[in-house]
Amino acid sequence: DQQVKQNSPSLSVQEGRISILNCDYTNSMFDYFLWYKKYPAEGPTFLISISSIKDKNEDGRFTVFLNKSAKHLSLHIVPSQPGDSAVYFCAAPVNAGGTSYGKLTFGQGTILTVHP
Amino acid sequence: KAGVTQTPRYLIKTRGQQVTLSCSPISGHRSVSWYQQTPGQGLQFLFEYFSETQRNKGNFPGRFSGRQFSNSRSEMNVSTLELGDSALYLCASSLGGSLGAKNIQYFGAGTRLSVL
Repeated sequence: DQQVKQNSPSLSVQEGRISILNCDYTNSMFDYFLWYKKYPAEGPTFLISISSIKDKNEDGRFTVFLNKSAKHLSLHIVPSQPGDSAVYFCAAPVNAGGTSYGKLTFGQGTILTVHP
Repeated sequence: KAGVTQTPRYLIKTRGQQVTLSCSPISGHRSVSWYQQTPGQGLQFLFEYFSETQRNKGNFPGRFSGRQFSNSRSEMNVSTLELGDSALYLCASSLGGSLGAKNIQYFGAGTRLSVL
């Protein structure tokens, strides 16, 4: 049961332009979301997160938007740089009995390629 | 502060063998989670340990097991290896509370296991 979905396997963007990565979720109990970036041969690196009490969180070039009614979140990267080329995963803690011990559920990932 | 360290980085085993992977968390982190990443299934949660106790478990067969030591270091063991166990195994550490705004998982570089 894929509770977090990234429907775009890949995205290609020109350097300097905006990259928009999308993520949909099905579980209305999710109250926190994270984005990770992964380079080949490395583990995922935490990028930015958002709590369900907010609809936007910004950190430098990265902004995450949350639309709870649509169960949709997006990550905006402005301006995009070639070094941003990586696989991006959205994830959410899976709560069991009101706690979430160590378990994140991940989307399938989107490969972002930023061309110089 | 040192990050999450996983050893070894690469392993080649044959079917039927067993394997042990090691993970040293970030200093001060008491929770260690393990994930399996494959091209077809993405990132799947295996289990989580905190203070030497398994608190959460994913949907994997009993051939997959783990443990945690008093210094928070963790090991994962896979017995009777199958071809389908070939994957990248990732370890993540966190402070140990419920995952959310104040408790984020940080990942190691992973161990690439190939089963022949």
